[in-house]
Amino acid sequence: GQNIDQPTEMTATEGAIVQINCTYQTSGFNGLFWYQQHAGEAPTFLSYNVLDGLEEKGRFSSFLSRSKGYSYLLLKELQMKDSASYLCALNTNAGKSTFGDGTTLTVKP
Amino acid sequence: DTGVSQDPRHKITKRGQNVTFRCDPISEHNRLYWYRQTLGQGPEFLTYFQNEAQLEKSRLLSDRFSAERPKGSFSTLEIQRTEQGDSAMYLCASSLTGGPSETQYFGPGTRLLVL
Repeated sequence: GQNIDQPTEMTATEGAIVQINCTYQTSGFNGLFWYQQHAGEAPTFLSYNVLDGLEEKGRFSSFLSRSKGYSYLLLKELQMKDSASYLCALNTNAGKSTFGDGTTLTVKP
Repeated sequence: DTGVSQDPRHKITKRGQNVTFRCDPISEHNRLYWYRQTLGQGPEFLTYFQNEAQLEKSRLLSDRFSAERPKGSFSTLEIQRTEQGDSAMYLCASSLTGGPSETQYFGPGTRLLVL
């Protein structure tokens, strides 16, 4: 299996930095996705890590360590609109994705 | 708007009825995926197509579920004899083989409620 674990909920303050962790157990995968999903809406793509290391894209960065079975999404300069669910997903053969249950982030003023 | 559309956006039906959902992917995308999502959980893979061929189907998909993509463009997902446990958001996604990271672009979903 590809057990994917994420914290269920996190709370942070506007303007702060938050790190959302994702751990997994799998025999192999092509890469790891992070998606953002607002309530009642479809997931939208944030980042994709294939190699170990940090990928930076504006206020969002994503990190992958294959040897540790670990990834994180880092959100800087938090804004109220960042309140959403953040989904970690493994990209396996044929591009099929296996998702974690998501982390619901609440940004408070 | 990702360019993937789904219809209808909402469907309320009575237990035992059949329902059909449609997905129109991004036009040049050759792969199309169906997922199901319930509250508090991540999307769960159901099935996927490459062009018109259905290449994989989840073991979670009972015989009451069938999907087609007859011309390799739009796809339909049919649920026969619906049960209350089928209530969920049904998401469609598309991607391009060999495209950047094979990112899947999701449609807005069809929310199904079985009474």
